[in-house]
Amino acid sequence: GESVGLHLPTLSVQEGDNSIINCAYSNSASDYFIWYKQESGKGPQFIIDIRSNMDKRQGQRVTVLLNKTVKHLSLQIAATQPGDSAVYFCAENRIQGAQKLVFGQGTRLTINP
Amino acid sequence: GAGVSQSPSNKVTEKGKDVELRCDPISGHTALYWYRQSLGQGLEFLIYFQGNSAPDKSGLPSDRFSAERTGGSVSTLTIQRTQQEDSAVYLCASSRRTSRETQYFGPGTRLLVL
Repeated sequence: GESVGLHLPTLSVQEGDNSIINCAYSNSASDYFIWYKQESGKGPQFIIDIRSNMDKRQGQRVTVLLNKTVKHLSLQIAATQPGDSAVYFCAENRIQGAQKLVFGQGTRLTINP
Repeated sequence: GAGVSQSPSNKVTEKGKDVELRCDPISGHTALYWYRQSLGQGLEFLIYFQGNSAPDKSGLPSDRFSAERTGGSVSTLTIQRTQQEDSAVYLCASSRRTSRETQYFGPGTRLLVL
């Protein structure tokens, strides 16, 4: 079936290091991808998005890479800080069909001091 | 400015009772979404509103679930005859016009059915 999934459910990195969170999607019709961060007890918070006409987009300390050939999405966080500890979700929106996001299961990122 | 708000923040109810969850979207946002998040899981789409109409109800898990939106603003999600498997966090989000724009989420309502 169609899905948006993650390679790793958990990831631990040392404070100051860079982290990479990966996501695979199966629907080639997907053309809009978003990364959300969810801290404990809170709703998801938008981090960065990318459309399928791009393969890279940068924000503040974050970079999203899109590889349409292998249907892979990644989120890179540079110089991680304790506040980056959270669950990160990738989500996709498709060109046609319902106006909804399809979310992956999430990766828990832990920043060790 | 004010973000998406939801109430109540927590709800404990007994099996078989009805519950109503409320969402106040960001002012001016015409698109509104309800999602459900079970413990340790991703977000499951329930329903999408554009204005007061719901063109996509495909995610509602059963006919015990319903939602409405009035005045193009506030939305309520109603669960009738609650079951234990309904226990989850119910999240509401809004976007300016479509899902191809940033969706802003509320803090969620944590529902526990005993």
